[in-house]
Amino acid sequence: EAQVTQNPRYLITVTGKKLTVTCSQNMNHEYMSWYRQDPGLGLRQIYYSMNVEVTDKGDVPEGYKVSRKEKRNFPLILESPSPNQTSLYFCASGWTSLGEQYFGPGTRLTVT
Amino acid sequence: QKEVEQNSGPLSVPEGAIASLNCTYSDRGSQSFFWYRQYSGKSPELIMFIYSNGDKEDGRFTAQLNKASQYVSLLIRDSQPSDSATYLCAVNPGGSQGNLIFGKGTKLSVKP
Repeated sequence: EAQVTQNPRYLITVTGKKLTVTCSQNMNHEYMSWYRQDPGLGLRQIYYSMNVEVTDKGDVPEGYKVSRKEKRNFPLILESPSPNQTSLYFCASGWTSLGEQYFGPGTRLTVT
Repeated sequence: QKEVEQNSGPLSVPEGAIASLNCTYSDRGSQSFFWYRQYSGKSPELIMFIYSNGDKEDGRFTAQLNKASQYVSLLIRDSQPSDSATYLCAVNPGGSQGNLIFGKGTKLSVKP
């Protein structure tokens, strides 16, 4: 089944404790992206990747890191999480940056 | 700042009616346009995409694009209660950028 998977689905952590949210797709997509969704603010792009080893900042990259060492994986790293990073996070992938994107199930992160 | 604007709603329509969802965007050079449906607590699901001026139909859904007016809309014919969800408009500015800009969404409620 073609899909985008994320892990963990739910995470509660404390301020400053490094964490990684994994994202994997099995559709051989070139393009992958991370978003956060907050009430009243909608979906905002954090980082995106056009291809392996190519990443770029979206609209809200502060406090996040990404890497794209393999085509299928695009982990999101929070080196020192803070409470303002409490949010619902979505990974997405697509054939190109201009085309449709397919979303993972989401990761609900709470930072206390 | 590139923006995508949607009426937040809620938009309430009776079952069987046509629901009309609207979206405007600020970047005149935008190249691709998408409509996503998001049920509460779930990830966005692609419904329609449109690249050229005019109408594009898929089942009960019709996307309409007017680049001169910087306007894209989604019509849902024969609305069903299962169509009740938040509908997100997304725009890709194109060019060398890989970011997708989302509107904040319109909440649709279809009453039986």
